[in-house]
Amino acid sequence: AQSVTQLDSQVPVFEEAPVELRCNYSSSVSVYLFWYVQYPNQGLQLLLKYLSGSTLVKGINGFEAEFNKSQTSFHLRKPSVHISDTAEYFCAVTSFGGFKTIFGAGTRLFVKA
Amino acid sequence: DAGVIQSPRHEVTEMGQEVTLRCKPISGHDYLFWYRQTMMRGLELLIYFNNNVPIDDSGMPEDRFSAKMPNASFSTLKIQPSEPRDSAVYFCASRENRGEAETQYFGPGTRLLVL
Repeated sequence: AQSVTQLDSQVPVFEEAPVELRCNYSSSVSVYLFWYVQYPNQGLQLLLKYLSGSTLVKGINGFEAEFNKSQTSFHLRKPSVHISDTAEYFCAVTSFGGFKTIFGAGTRLFVKA
Repeated sequence: DAGVIQSPRHEVTEMGQEVTLRCKPISGHDYLFWYRQTMMRGLELLIYFNNNVPIDDSGMPEDRFSAKMPNASFSTLKIQPSEPRDSAVYFCASRENRGEAETQYFGPGTRLLVL
């Protein structure tokens, strides 16, 4: 079984500041890792995903995430946030050979002017 | 493609009434998922289908919930009878059958309020 823990439920940050949203996962098998974003009153959409290869993954809107196998983490980062990045961010895992995606509880990013 | 389409976008009903939520997946996608999102429990997978066949319904909360996929372009999630604790946002998502790492595409959701 897999589980996903997002360590912060809310992250307030000022515009143009850097941000890191933390995600740890637990699994007895290898997994694929995802970050999804949900803007207000919308469904989730993919930001980025890690399949294999380079541990640094770049996604849309200037976000990137780094896979750390030894720490079982997949933290999301952006060097300079905008007001429009205000949204809820979900970390998720799918096991190799599986089709169910397990989502974390979400981190609400609030960017202040 | 128009993306995943869900209807209605909002539903307000009274306790005891039947509620039917509808979903049209992206054409060519073989997998369809129903999720429920609440503040307390986050995003929960209710059931998913592959090629119109239900594969895993272990997330369906109780017998009041049922889901069908009569063809590749349509699915329903029904709650009968509805209860106030069913109030949530229900999402439908679909994906291609090219492997486990394929992206899920979510619809805009149906916001259900049971009074």
